[in-house]
Amino acid sequence: AQTVTQSQPEMSVQEAETVTLSCTYDTSENNYYLFWYKQPPSRQMILVIRQEAYKQQNATENRFSVNFQKAAKSFSLKISDSQLGDTAMYFCAFMKLTGNQFYFGTGTSLTVIP
Amino acid sequence: NAGVMQNPRHLVRRRGQEARLRCSPMKGHSHVYWYRQLPEEGLKFMVYLQKENIIDESGMPKERFSAEFPKEGPSILRIQQVVRGDSAAYFCASSPQNGPRLMDEQFFGPGTRLTVL
Repeated sequence: AQTVTQSQPEMSVQEAETVTLSCTYDTSENNYYLFWYKQPPSRQMILVIRQEAYKQQNATENRFSVNFQKAAKSFSLKISDSQLGDTAMYFCAFMKLTGNQFYFGTGTSLTVIP
Repeated sequence: NAGVMQNPRHLVRRRGQEARLRCSPMKGHSHVYWYRQLPEEGLKFMVYLQKENIIDESGMPKERFSAEFPKEGPSILRIQQVVRGDSAAYFCASSPQNGPRLMDEQFFGPGTRLTVL
């Protein structure tokens, strides 16, 4: 079975600062996908970034980057130059290579303070 | 290209009534997924459908819940005889294809918030 753990229920960061959200997962699969989704107050689920486990290079999308440690089964999200619009719930998610469903963590509520 | 559409956005039912949640996938998408988000929790997979077929319903409760995705029209998640524990946000996602080649992004709808009184 796959499990995803987000150990930080809430976090806050000053505007323009950097924050890192943690995520660990457990799986017996060797190849898989990892994702970070953002859920703002509107509750829309928005893809932030994704990583293929067979790629060693960490994914980057503008101000968002990940630190993927496959051996440690860790997948943290770093948000640089935090903006007020980054305030949201952030969910880490796992998907098998041939899968068709996400396994989500319980989320981290991030507040960006002006 | 309109995104994934779900309606209603909010649905209130009394215990014992039926709830019908609708999801229209993005144009060109033939794969639909339903997830349930309980308060203070992440989304949990319920069912994966293609047109006229249920592919994986491993996350669906065995009783009272059913889903369909007909050849024409939206996908429907149906909950019979609702109970208070069914109160949650139900999200639909769609993707253009699915297979071992590549994980195509699932695009999420805005969700339907079901409240059972």
